[in-house]
Amino acid sequence: ETGVTQTPRHLVMGMTNKKSLKCEQHLGHNAMYWYKQSAKKPLELMFVYSLEERVENNSVPSRFSPECPNSSHLFLHLHTLQPEDSALYLCASSQEWTGNTEAFFGQGTRLTVV
Amino acid sequence: GDSVTQMEGPVTLSEEAFLTINCTYTATGYPSLFWYVQYPGEGLQLLLKATKADDKGSNKGFEATYRKETTSFHLEKGSVQVSDSGVYFCALTSNFGNEKLTFGTGTRLTIIP
Repeated sequence: ETGVTQTPRHLVMGMTNKKSLKCEQHLGHNAMYWYKQSAKKPLELMFVYSLEERVENNSVPSRFSPECPNSSHLFLHLHTLQPEDSALYLCASSQEWTGNTEAFFGQGTRLTVV
Repeated sequence: GDSVTQMEGPVTLSEEAFLTINCTYTATGYPSLFWYVQYPGEGLQLLLKATKADDKGSNKGFEATYRKETTSFHLEKGSVQVSDSGVYFCALTSNFGNEKLTFGTGTRLTIIP
C-alpha cells in the first residue's frame, strides 16, 4: 500500500461508546496530523505529531485522545462524544513539520455520534 | 492570527467555462500559499503552491499567483472539465513560528456537461 490510509471509512457511535480511528502512512514521513472537517467551517487542526512526539494540541477536548506509537501509525481514541463531534476526521502526513512541505491526506473517517 | 478567506460556494459552471475562485489571506511574516482539492470520496490533495511573492503556481491547467500587495491567491482555470468537480481549499503556512497549515472553508465546484 502507498499513501495515507484511514480506517474505518464510516463510524456511527453512541455518546457512551469508546472507539478508535486509525491512520497509517507508508510514505516515510516524519509528521502526522489529525484534522476535523465540518460543513461550512475551515479545516480544524487538532493534533500534530513530529517524530512520534506531540508538538501541537489545539485546545481539543479531552474526549479526543491521540496516540502515535511509531512514525507510520496514528490513532484517535474517542470516548463520551457529543453529537456536535459528528464530522469528517482527516489524517495527513508530511515529510517534516515545516511550512513548505506538502501534506498528504487520507480519505477520512465519517463519524456520526447519535 | 493567521486566516484564509475564500469565496462562498457552491459554484456551478458549464464545461469549458472560465473559473475563478477568490482567496485572500492574513498572516504573520511571509506565508507560503497552497490550493488543495478534495474530489468526491477522497482526501485532500495538493493542487499547486507558491512560496514567495509574485510566484505563480500551476498544475492541471489551474494557476494561482501570489499577490502580496493584495494578499490574494486566486485560483483560475481557462476551461474547466467535469472531472474538476470537487471542493477547493485555499491554505497557508506562515513560516514565522507557526508552521501549521491554515485552511479556508472550502469552495464546492460542480461542472455540468
